[in-house]
Amino acid sequence: AQSVTQPDIHITVSEGASLELRCNYSYGATPYLFWYVQSPGQGLQLLLKYFSGDTLVQGIKGFEAEFKRSQSSFNLRKPSVHWSDAAEYFCAVGPSGGYNKLIFGAGTRLAVHP
Amino acid sequence: DAGVTQSPTHLIKTRGQQVTLRCSPISGHKSVSWYQQVLGQGPQFIFQYYEKEERGRGNFPDRFSARQFPNYSSELNVNALLLGDSALYLCASSQGNGGEKLFFGSGTQLSVL
Repeated sequence: AQSVTQPDIHITVSEGASLELRCNYSYGATPYLFWYVQSPGQGLQLLLKYFSGDTLVQGIKGFEAEFKRSQSSFNLRKPSVHWSDAAEYFCAVGPSGGYNKLIFGAGTRLAVHP
Repeated sequence: DAGVTQSPTHLIKTRGQQVTLRCSPISGHKSVSWYQQVLGQGPQFIFQYYEKEERGRGNFPDRFSARQFPNYSSELNVNALLLGDSALYLCASSQGNGGEKLFFGSGTQLSVL
């Protein structure tokens, strides 16, 4: 079955600290992988995506993610977290050739301490 | 340019009623997708419409239906509402049928009492 697992429901980091959010997926074919961020009362904003090629992808707001096929993982990282990064983060997988039928993980809520 | 707009922003219904949610895509976008986000969970795919035709459907009962109009706006209808239908309903648009960036609206919060 196709699925996305985000093992950490809630993470708290101090401002300026590094961040890694974990994502594991189960998908039959080669998937497209995404990270989205959702702030309270807002829709989802795309941070970055992986289709093929370089397994380290850069996104907006200083985020990056690394695709590891052997581990079926696509972890999100940021070297220095800002207070404005507090939000909910969703990892998603979709069929190659299409964005629209995405399978989302349950999300990781990030809190940032000053 | 305006982003994806959804109406209403909040809605309260009672069990058994019917509800219609509306979505206007970004100008020039021909595809609209609907997702349901239950509190504490990630969004779940409900429908995708492209050029007024249904191109995909998630694992939702027949109580859920949708359509896309000639101007590419879309409506999501839910009949015989259940308490479990309480959720944030998100609409997303894209230019084509697949392979493009999805732009999400802020959603309609539906509460079923």
